[in-house]
Amino acid sequence: QKEVEQDPGPLSVPEGAIVSLNCTYSNSAFQYFMWYRQYSRKGPELLMYTYSSGNKEDGRFTAQVDKSSKYISLFIRDSQPSDSATYLCAMSAHSGYALNFGKGTSLLVTP
Amino acid sequence: GAVVSQHPSWVICKSGTSVKIECRSLDFQATTMFWYRQFPKQSLMLMATSNEGSKATYEQGVEKDKFLINHASLTLSTLTVTSAHPEDSSFYICSAETQGQHYEQYFGPGTRLTVT
Repeated sequence: QKEVEQDPGPLSVPEGAIVSLNCTYSNSAFQYFMWYRQYSRKGPELLMYTYSSGNKEDGRFTAQVDKSSKYISLFIRDSQPSDSATYLCAMSAHSGYALNFGKGTSLLVTP
Repeated sequence: GAVVSQHPSWVICKSGTSVKIECRSLDFQATTMFWYRQFPKQSLMLMATSNEGSKATYEQGVEKDKFLINHASLTLSTLTVTSAHPEDSSFYICSAETQGQHYEQYFGPGTRLTVT
C-alpha cells in the first residue's frame, strides 16, 4: 500500500460547481499537509498548507485535515475554467524531509 | 508566497554532453532543497535531497555520479546531468523548503531537458 493514495480522475465539473478533492494516507506520523496545483509543463504551485488537524480557508479554497481518519480534502468553490489542472496532495512527518505525494487528480472545469 | 526560479527553463543537448540546471530561492534562504523528475502524466519522483554545505542524499536507484548535486549556498542548488543520454530526457523540478515555524516547500517552474 502506498503511503498516500489519491484518485487520479479525471474529474470533470461544470463552471461554478463545488469541487472536492481527497487523499488518504497510512502514516500516522504525517503532520504537515499541502495541496499543490500543477498546470501542464509547469512546476507545482503551493495552494494550501496545513499543520496538524483542522480547516484552513483561503479565498475559494478550503483545506481540511482529519488525522483520526487519515484523510485530507481540498474544496474549491465557484470553480472556474482556469482551475483546470492537476491537483497534488503532499505530506510529511518532519521538516527537512521530502514530501510524500499523491499521484495527482486531473480536474477539468467546463464553461 | 516564496519564489523559486530555475534556469534554464528548457535545454536541448547532444548525447554524451553534460547539462547544469540551477535552482534559486529568490526571497528566502533554503537550508534544504529537493530535486525531482517528472515524466508525462506522472507524479513527481524524488531524486535527491540537498542540504547546504553537505553532500546530497540520493534516492534508491538514482546514480549519484550521473546526477551531481551541489548546494553551495542557502539560495542556490545545482543539478548536473553528466554524459546525458536520451533516456535522461525529462522534466526536472526543484523545490526549496522555507525555514522557521512553518514548513512549506515551494517549487521552481521546472526545466525540460531533451537529449538528442
